[in-house]
Amino acid sequence: GAVVSQHPSWVICKSGTSVKIECRSLDFQATTMFWYRQFPKQSLMLMATSNEGSKATYEQGVEKDKFLINHASLTLSTLTVTSAHPEDSSFYICSARGAGGNQPQHFGDGTRLSIL
Amino acid sequence: RKEVEQDPGPFNVPEGATVAFNCTYSNSASQSFFWYRQDCRKEPKLLMSVYSSGNEDGRFTAQLNRASQYISLLIRDSKLSDSATYLCVVNKMANAGGTSYGKLTFGQGTILTVHP
Repeated sequence: GAVVSQHPSWVICKSGTSVKIECRSLDFQATTMFWYRQFPKQSLMLMATSNEGSKATYEQGVEKDKFLINHASLTLSTLTVTSAHPEDSSFYICSARGAGGNQPQHFGDGTRLSIL
Repeated sequence: RKEVEQDPGPFNVPEGATVAFNCTYSNSASQSFFWYRQDCRKEPKLLMSVYSSGNEDGRFTAQLNRASQYISLLIRDSKLSDSATYLCVVNKMANAGGTSYGKLTFGQGTILTVHP
């Protein structure tokens, strides 16, 4: 089946650091990639949607200058959390889907970000 | 009001029990529906799609009532390995950068613990 790889799986860093998370589709071309965030005991919340080669569309309340998304190729999207603070600590999950109206989303295995 | 609402539980049931989860959604434009399973500190994984005609996959039965905007999941003969959080997910079409895609909205999840 389709595989989405996310890296790193766990990050611990100091407040003020910028952190980059990669999301790769390994065996299909990901026309659209999604970035979600999940706080403890809460549901996954969509942060932004990106189509290859165009600017990401951010959900209401998500700061685009804080969470930089790049989707430069059909197999790679990156999320950069700039100047991360403890309140940014969360589980970040990407998903990817191929072209076509009803293609399913395939999820990466998530990145646990802890800001000290 | 949340777009997708679930009873968070937790449900604690013995092995072999039958357990049912319910979910309601508020957006009548939602087009497709799913149950996902999420294990602790892991990414969500698709359990099954949900149709108005009802569908069954082994011990799992899902049902959709569009008129009531209600979705259910029934698990029969519970196993220890069924312990997880079950996420009700609805999909509706959205548009970003000129591309249409399915946008998933996740419920908070229902925690199930199956004990010996």
